[in-house]
Amino acid sequence: DQQVKQNSPSLSVQEGRISILNCDYTNSMFDYFLWYKKYPAEGPTFLISISSIKDKNEDGRFTVFLNKSAKHLSLHIVPSQPGDSAVYFCAASGGNTPLVFGKGTRLSVIA
Amino acid sequence: DTGVSQNPRHKITKRGQNVTFRCDPISEHNRLYWYRQTLGQGPEFLTYFQNEAQLEKSRLLSDRFSAERPKGSFSTLEIQRTEQGDSAMYLCASSLGLGGGDYSNQPQHFGDGTRLSIL
Repeated sequence: DQQVKQNSPSLSVQEGRISILNCDYTNSMFDYFLWYKKYPAEGPTFLISISSIKDKNEDGRFTVFLNKSAKHLSLHIVPSQPGDSAVYFCAASGGNTPLVFGKGTRLSVIA
Repeated sequence: DTGVSQNPRHKITKRGQNVTFRCDPISEHNRLYWYRQTLGQGPEFLTYFQNEAQLEKSRLLSDRFSAERPKGSFSTLEIQRTEQGDSAMYLCASSLGLGGGDYSNQPQHFGDGTRLSIL
């Protein structure tokens, strides 16, 4: 029973273009959502988060959008750079539910 | 700025042995979390502490798993009588907690993990 789903295992994007990573969740109690980036042999690095009272949060090249009615969030990276190549995890928490992660999406930015 | 530190980075042991991992959180963080990550999966929550109190341990994988944070600073995760299925990456994270038992809206910051291999 996956509460957080990342349906695309991988994504390839050209350098300079937009990368869009998607995430769906099922638990309506989730009220805090995060994106993490992970390089090989390193732990996940926090990128950006959004509370359920907002529908958009922006930090530099990274923007997270939240659609509560669809239980969907997305991460936009503009412009994409080769150093963005990594595995991206979506995570969510709320109330008495600890942080739940998706399985990740591997992003490859091609120069 | 010192991040979350985990030791050892790698541990290889024979089935049936006990292993212990250490985590040093970011110094001002009062919450500390343990996760397990296997290949192709996201991190899976195991347990967490607020200061020295273990507020959630029902998700530890079996009674062979235990964790401590005796002085509210570093933490240890012990696995007794290891099995082949325990082979995984064990991750520690820390965050600020605003009190209470719920999972406050503060980002968790992760260490680089301990990779456990059971022979």
